[in-house]
Amino acid sequence: QVQLVESGGGLVKPGGSLRLSCAASGFTFSDYQMSWIRQAPGKGLEWVSHISSSGSSIYYTDSMKGRFTISRDNAKNSLYLQMNSLRAEDTAVYYCARESYDSSGFYFGYWGQGTLVTVSS
Amino acid sequence: DIQMTQSPSSLSASVGDRVTITCRASQSISSYLNWYQQKPGKAPKVLIYAASSLQSGVPSRFSGSGSGTDFTLTISSLQPEDFATYYCQQSYSIPRTFGQGTKVEIK
Repeated sequence: QVQLVESGGGLVKPGGSLRLSCAASGFTFSDYQMSWIRQAPGKGLEWVSHISSSGSSIYYTDSMKGRFTISRDNAKNSLYLQMNSLRAEDTAVYYCARESYDSSGFYFGYWGQGTLVTVSS
Repeated sequence: DIQMTQSPSSLSASVGDRVTITCRASQSISSYLNWYQQKPGKAPKVLIYAASSLQSGVPSRFSGSGSGTDFTLTISSLQPEDFATYYCQQSYSIPRTFGQGTKVEIK
């Protein structure tokens, strides 16, 4: 069955860095585009970044451009998010999600359990 | 970026009630609209994709409709396990954007 398992979250000081990982299994990872989505405590869902199946197309939400870097290693079935210059407002649960597709469009069909990032001094 | 606006932000309902949540896009997104359910401490789960397609395994009391800019999620007869927060999300363009959520609470 499809599994997405995030890791790498934790407590970091403002201005610090963290690298999140998402290990995928149960499907052909290299066939799917992936996203990171976050949720601040008590708040709604916020899309963070997208990477195409090959890694050739990458997008970020504006507030994260220049600070976050998404990447993937299809040989290792893994997705990554390098987060630099972290701010208190980046505190959130970070989910990796697989974007499924059928003829009707794209949707986030599978999500990991999330990893908590806390930015605090 | 396409803005997604849900209403209401929260509602109270009883078991057996018919519940309707609306989502409006800031521009036409055709039928590229998905609905998710999230329970506390859990990842979201897709209920409806492409505005009206029911995800496999989701009970038939959930349905979606709409196209263009206005969309609706309907729960025909609310069950105890349906108390949760619901989000709409557009997949018409990147950045993908979500509505702010609608919390469905027990009356």
